[in-house]
Amino acid sequence: QVQLQESGPGLVKPSQTLSLTCTVSGGSISSGGYYWSWIRQHPGKGLEWIGYIYYSGSTYYNPSLKSRVTISVDTSKNQFSLKLSSVTAADTAVYYCARANPFWFDPWGQGTLVTVSS
Amino acid sequence: EIVLTQSPGTLSLSPGERATLSCRASQSVSSSYLAWYQQKPGQAPRLLIYGASSRATGIPDRFSGSGSGTDFTLTISRLEPEDFAVYYCQQYGSSPRWTFGQGTKVEIK
Repeated sequence: QVQLQESGPGLVKPSQTLSLTCTVSGGSISSGGYYWSWIRQHPGKGLEWIGYIYYSGSTYYNPSLKSRVTISVDTSKNQFSLKLSSVTAADTAVYYCARANPFWFDPWGQGTLVTVSS
Repeated sequence: EIVLTQSPGTLSLSPGERATLSCRASQSVSSSYLAWYQQKPGQAPRLLIYGASSRATGIPDRFSGSGSGTDFTLTISRLEPEDFAVYYCQQYGSSPRWTFGQGTKVEIK
């Protein structure tokens, strides 16, 4: 079964770039048909979809974050990555990677907390 | 943007009771594009229901989904201790492509 695992720094300074990687196991990103997504959850709050990448490299971002988000894919490593620039305390959240089929998300990674603080 | 409003915010029930959770959309949503998730503290959301009424793999049959248009419901027929959690509905549509409700917490009374 497909599993996803996020990795990256848990602490980022304000104005810097948040960088996270999601490693996919048990299946290939290149198999097609799925949209590899990033979703975040502010502490004690609901879920916000950030964006996705298809194995071909095509992307689509939430308009509310589009100017600061870049999602890329490395099919040779079966990984996809998130970069969020110019972060502030408002970007402190648990970041999840997930596979969209494309109408719903399954499975999800376990999530990683990223705190923005100096 | 389609806004999903879940009610109630918190549902206080006892094990064995029936739970009925509502998700109302600001515009009509195709039933094919409506999903429900369960999230326990410290865990990622888990897919429960997709296509408004289909149970995901491994989900017990005490969970059921229904609805169409702008009104959708998640029902837990008899609450088990492990069902106390937060539940989110989610839709797929126009920009932003996916949106979630704010969640309903099912807590032990």
